[in-house]
Amino acid sequence: AQKVTQAQTEISVVEKEDVTLDCVYETRDTTYYLFWYKQPPSGELVFLIRRNSFDEQNEISGRYSWNFQKSTSSFNFTITASQVVDSAVYFCALSEEMDSSYKLIFGSGTRLLVRP
Amino acid sequence: EAQVTQNPRYLITVTGKKLTVTCSQNMNHEYMSWYRQDPGLGLRQIYYSMNVEVTDKGDVPEGYKVSRKEKRNFPLILESPSPNQTSLYFCASSWASGSSYEQYFGPGTRLTVT
Repeated sequence: AQKVTQAQTEISVVEKEDVTLDCVYETRDTTYYLFWYKQPPSGELVFLIRRNSFDEQNEISGRYSWNFQKSTSSFNFTITASQVVDSAVYFCALSEEMDSSYKLIFGSGTRLLVRP
Repeated sequence: EAQVTQNPRYLITVTGKKLTVTCSQNMNHEYMSWYRQDPGLGLRQIYYSMNVEVTDKGDVPEGYKVSRKEKRNFPLILESPSPNQTSLYFCASSWASGSSYEQYFGPGTRLTVT
């Protein structure tokens, strides 16, 4: 069955530290998409990145980087030189080509607290 | 500004009193969906719609109804709310129906049923 696991419930770091948020997924589909969303304290969900199952190239966007490894079914997210504004709940999500509902299957989220 | 809007943002109601949460998007998106967010469970899909007049159940549809009479609007209806429907609700939309499209979310509606 499809599933997304974010084992880290909460992480606390001091500003300027690097932090990695883990995401492990399960799927039987060969074509699927992985996403990361950010939920700041204000509550909205902000799209960060999408990756398809055929593209294992890592991606960097400013202080954010993502490491996709099919061999370990992981799609980890690293924030370099964290800032207080990075404090939020981060969700990893999976969408499967075979699923006709096209729903996003979310992990339970990781709450990141960046202390000044 | 391209956005998904939801109203109301906060609602406290009593068991059994029918309510509607509205959702509207101004991006001409085909696909719309409702999710509920509960602590420790992430978000779960309630209903979705691939286009006007095309709706279907998600993973947790019990106690909810939806309609899609116009492309931009996708209201969520709770005919007889119960306390277990206390949750944070999100409406989402994407350009088309397909697993590759990112979904854009509304600001959320926090519902409390007493």
